[in-house]
Amino acid sequence: DAGVTQSPTHLIKTRGQHVTLRCSPISGHKSVSWYQQVLGQGPQFIFQYYEKEERGRGNFPDRFSARQFPNYSSELNVNALLLGDSALYLCASSLHGRNTGELFFGEGSRLTVL
Amino acid sequence: EDKVVQSPLSLVVHEGDTVTLNCSYEVTNFRSLLWYKQEKKAPTFLFMLTSSGIEKKSGRLSSILDKKELFSILNITATQTGDSAVYLCAGPNNAGNMLTFGGGTRLMVKP
Repeated sequence: DAGVTQSPTHLIKTRGQHVTLRCSPISGHKSVSWYQQVLGQGPQFIFQYYEKEERGRGNFPDRFSARQFPNYSSELNVNALLLGDSALYLCASSLHGRNTGELFFGEGSRLTVL
Repeated sequence: EDKVVQSPLSLVVHEGDTVTLNCSYEVTNFRSLLWYKQEKKAPTFLFMLTSSGIEKKSGRLSSILDKKELFSILNITATQTGDSAVYLCAGPNNAGNMLTFGGGTRLMVKP
């Protein structure tokens, strides 16, 4: 069974550019969450989507946006990239919208901003 | 604001040693506390704890929760080099739509 898949795995951008990261949840999972993990720190919540609706948003600027598609896959968009956006971006899926239990994480997309 | 703090930040041990990792948390309306292992990229689920005093066990790993003291520990006995990883502790918020993670404990097990 396929787990959570993310693309691309690595990418390098320059300041001011835009990036789109993609995530496919485990089959049957309707909730997708995005987390940012800066080197040496724990993951930090960015967004949660459930049934194509935003259910939660972390403390990130409006440059960060996301959406969920009818097939439950998701995109994270970041505009006007800053050096500080360099991080591992993790996508996680779960069956339900209320994340009181286990999240299944993908391998992440490592973004480097130069 | 929910807060999760882990200690120590890092730990170096030798194979066969026993380690104890700590997690303290302050969350509104406690629901559960979760432990994850992150070897390279994807955190993988270890345990979910919801009740005080009940030990969860999986092989050489075990974890227990103290809801009164807002504290959890993760024990690893007879450590192996494959246990080298970052161990993350997390708690869901009241709405259940996000996890607040601690900063992690980086464990290195030397042969």
